[in-house]
Amino acid sequence: GENVEQHPSTLSVQEGDSAVIKCTYSDSASNYFPWYKQELGKGPQLIIDIRSNVGEKKDQRIAVTLNKTAKHFSLHITETQPEDSAVYFCAASRGGNFNKFYFGSGTKLNVKP
Amino acid sequence: DVKVTQSSRYLVKRTGEKVFLECVQDMDHENMFWYRQDPGLGLRLIYFSYDVKMKEKGDIPEGYSVSREKKERFSLILESASTNQTSMYLCASGNRGSQETQYFGPGTRLLVL
Repeated sequence: GENVEQHPSTLSVQEGDSAVIKCTYSDSASNYFPWYKQELGKGPQLIIDIRSNVGEKKDQRIAVTLNKTAKHFSLHITETQPEDSAVYFCAASRGGNFNKFYFGSGTKLNVKP
Repeated sequence: DVKVTQSSRYLVKRTGEKVFLECVQDMDHENMFWYRQDPGLGLRLIYFSYDVKMKEKGDIPEGYSVSREKKERFSLILESASTNQTSMYLCASGNRGSQETQYFGPGTRLLVL
């Protein structure tokens, strides 16, 4: 089955700096890679996703890159703000009727004012 | 906007009690999922359902059962709650097929005494 590894487990940055979180996956059939942000006491919220036919996707200060050959994808947050502080999860899926997701273990991002 | 709601945000139960956690989605999604989230262990899949009355075991189904009598509602049942089932429980829903995302509810924090 699929195995998704996520690094680092914690990340502390100064406000205004960039933050990068990396994930690797094992199943070459995986074709969908969402990123979720989970604030304290809340459920995970989708912030950006990328499909396997795309190498990069941007949404304002957030970008995701995908390297299918190396089987890794990354989340980039630029000009970080204190409200970016949260736990971020990556996931991988190969779709199908069940459409199961395989999640990374999460990265706790702390943005210091 | 997709909405996934869970019946309780916080729940306190005693060992041996039967516990019902309810999840409702309003987007006519075929698939629904129950995860538990524990510190350092990420999101672990308990059970999922791909249609009414259909269910599949996830990675950690022991001690749990599920029910899906209507498409929009998916229930998680702890037949006899134990202290090691103290956790955050997250429900999600999504469509079948390729490159479809999952949407999460706010979570239920369960404490078993």
